[in-house]
Amino acid sequence: AQSVAQPEDQVNVAEGNPLTVKCTYSVSGNPYLFWYVQYPNRGLQFLLKYITGDNLVKGSYGFEAEFNKSQTSFHLKKPSALVSDSALYFCAVRDGGSQGNLIFGKGTKLSVKP
Amino acid sequence: GEEVAQTPKHLVRGEGQKAKLYCAPIKGHSYVFWYQQVLKNEFKFLISFQNENVFDETGMPKERFSAKCLPNSPCSLEIQATKLEDSAVYFCASTQTDRDGEAFFGQGTRLTVV
Repeated sequence: AQSVAQPEDQVNVAEGNPLTVKCTYSVSGNPYLFWYVQYPNRGLQFLLKYITGDNLVKGSYGFEAEFNKSQTSFHLKKPSALVSDSALYFCAVRDGGSQGNLIFGKGTKLSVKP
Repeated sequence: GEEVAQTPKHLVRGEGQKAKLYCAPIKGHSYVFWYQQVLKNEFKFLISFQNENVFDETGMPKERFSAKCLPNSPCSLEIQATKLEDSAVYFCASTQTDRDGEAFFGQGTRLTVV
């Protein structure tokens, strides 16, 4: 069965510092991995995805994520956090080769303080 | 259109009443997904469509929930005889035919059952 784990309910970072939001996954086939961000009372906005190729994926708003097959991880990173990055972040996985639904992690609340 | 449109934004129903939610996917997207986001932010997959055909309905509580995607009409999710536990935000998402395509989400419908 597919699953996604986001081990931290909340991550607190000072503005200007680097941030990491962690995600690990489990799928039977090749993983298609996604990061989404949700602002209050809004839908999910797509940030980036890993399908194949380079393990370091660059996405919207300066975010990037690193795919690590041996550790089955896909951590979200940003070199310098902004207060406006404060939001809820979701990691999701789909079993590659299928058009199945996304399986989401429980979400990590990112709080960036000035 | 270039965004997934969900209506209404808010819906209040008394327990036992019917609720109907609508979703217009992005033009050209063949797959539509419905998710339920409950209080703890978790996303629960309900059902997906490939055009007007049910693709995966493993998440649907079939005794009270039903959904349709008919040609030239918005997709719909209907809950007969709502219960308090149905209170949640319901998100619709659509994707293109590509298997590695990201899902685009609507703004959601907040259903409150009182």
